[in-house]
Amino acid sequence: AQTVTQSQPEMSVQEAETVTLSCTYDTSESDYYLFWYKQPPSRQMILVIRQEAYKQQNATENRFSVNFQKAAKSFSLKISDSQLGDAAMYFCAYRSNNQGGKLIFGQGTELSVKP
Amino acid sequence: DVKVTQSSRYLVKRTGEKVFLECVQDMDHENMFWYRQDPGLGLRLIYFSYDVKMKEKGDIPEGYSVSREKKERFSLILESASTNQTSMYLCASSSYRGPSYNEQFFGPGTRLTVL
Repeated sequence: AQTVTQSQPEMSVQEAETVTLSCTYDTSESDYYLFWYKQPPSRQMILVIRQEAYKQQNATENRFSVNFQKAAKSFSLKISDSQLGDAAMYFCAYRSNNQGGKLIFGQGTELSVKP
Repeated sequence: DVKVTQSSRYLVKRTGEKVFLECVQDMDHENMFWYRQDPGLGLRLIYFSYDVKMKEKGDIPEGYSVSREKKERFSLILESASTNQTSMYLCASSSYRGPSYNEQFFGPGTRLTVL
């Protein structure tokens, strides 16, 4: 069975600085997808960024980028130029390519942004 | 925009009561999911459905059942609520089609307290 681990329950960053959230996963599959979701306080979960395992290039969405290390089974999220609105719970998630869209989530990392 | 709505944001029930949590999506998505979210555990999949009247057990189905009579609606049922089912419940939907292929869209969540 696949597992996803986020070893940082809480992180803090100064506004305008850069922060990296860690995620590792375990799988025997070669074809899968990885996601970072953001859950702001009392608001809905939204997708931040996704990575297809077959792509070597790291995904980027504006200030958000990932460092995908397939061999090491590592998928970290880097947030550049942090803003107050980035404060949220961040979840790393794994989806197999052959299990119909089910997501396996990590435990979450709560990010706070200091002004 | 995809919209996933849940019938209640907050719900308080008594032990032994039958509880219905309703989820509706308006984007004709084939797949729907029910998760529970607990601190330190992330999101765990309870049940999911690929189509009307279809259901599959997730990782923690014990104590729950589901119903999907219409494509847009997916209900989670607690047959006899217990205190250990106090949690945040999140509904999500996704599609096999289109540019958001298999991205899960989440509802706002229902915070259930069982006394």
